[in-house]
Amino acid sequence: DIQMTQSPSSLSASVGDRVIITCQASQVISIFLNWYQQKSGRAPKLLIYGASNLETGVPSRFSGSGSGTNFTFTISSLQPEDIATYYCQQYNNLPITFGGGTKVE
Amino acid sequence: EVQILESGGGLAQIGGSLRLSCAASGFVFRSYAMNWVRQAPGRELEWVSGITSGGGRPFYADSVKGRFTIFRDNSNNMVNLQMNTLRAEDTAIYYCAKGRYGDPKSELDHWGQGTLVTVSS
Repeated sequence: DIQMTQSPSSLSASVGDRVIITCQASQVISIFLNWYQQKSGRAPKLLIYGASNLETGVPSRFSGSGSGTNFTFTISSLQPEDIATYYCQQYNNLPITFGGGTKVE
Repeated sequence: EVQILESGGGLAQIGGSLRLSCAASGFVFRSYAMNWVRQAPGRELEWVSGITSGGGRPFYADSVKGRFTIFRDNSNNMVNLQMNTLRAEDTAIYYCAKGRYGDPKSELDHWGQGTLVTVSS
């Protein structure tokens, strides 16, 4: 199985801060990498697919980049409603695997 | 509007069985893969199982292989997860999630609200 390592596991930021989360795959996954947002008590929501494509309706302050094994997720200017846990997910191979999550506080 | 609604969760005994159901609407159900993803209390997301759009190819995580069975009814827009020989570590919220394409290897673009499964002695 492909292991996805996310860092940091948690971070504290202020409104307006730039937030960067990284995700490293245990083997090459091309650009088959997605990012999800999960607010407390809610289902995950797809934000970024194919490493860098913004899902319809998602604010442009969210972005993703990377390929191969190293990926980055960025919130350009943190808003109060962005408080959540963020997960990366690879779909290059089955089983689909998720990172451990990054809690943004 | 895409809607996904899980049901069937509840309390089960270790070694027991439960069947989860997922009803979908708002899209051409038979054209998309469907998946089950679970989340144990305070833990990360874990993909459990997926099935191709036509239903001919199911896939499972090693942790549930041989115990869980996924199947779909394209005439009724439903996908089910039969869970047998339940273990305490199967306790989790189970989410039903739609794939973007007919193969489970894709982004999960719509999710249900989840159903809680608790396995206890």
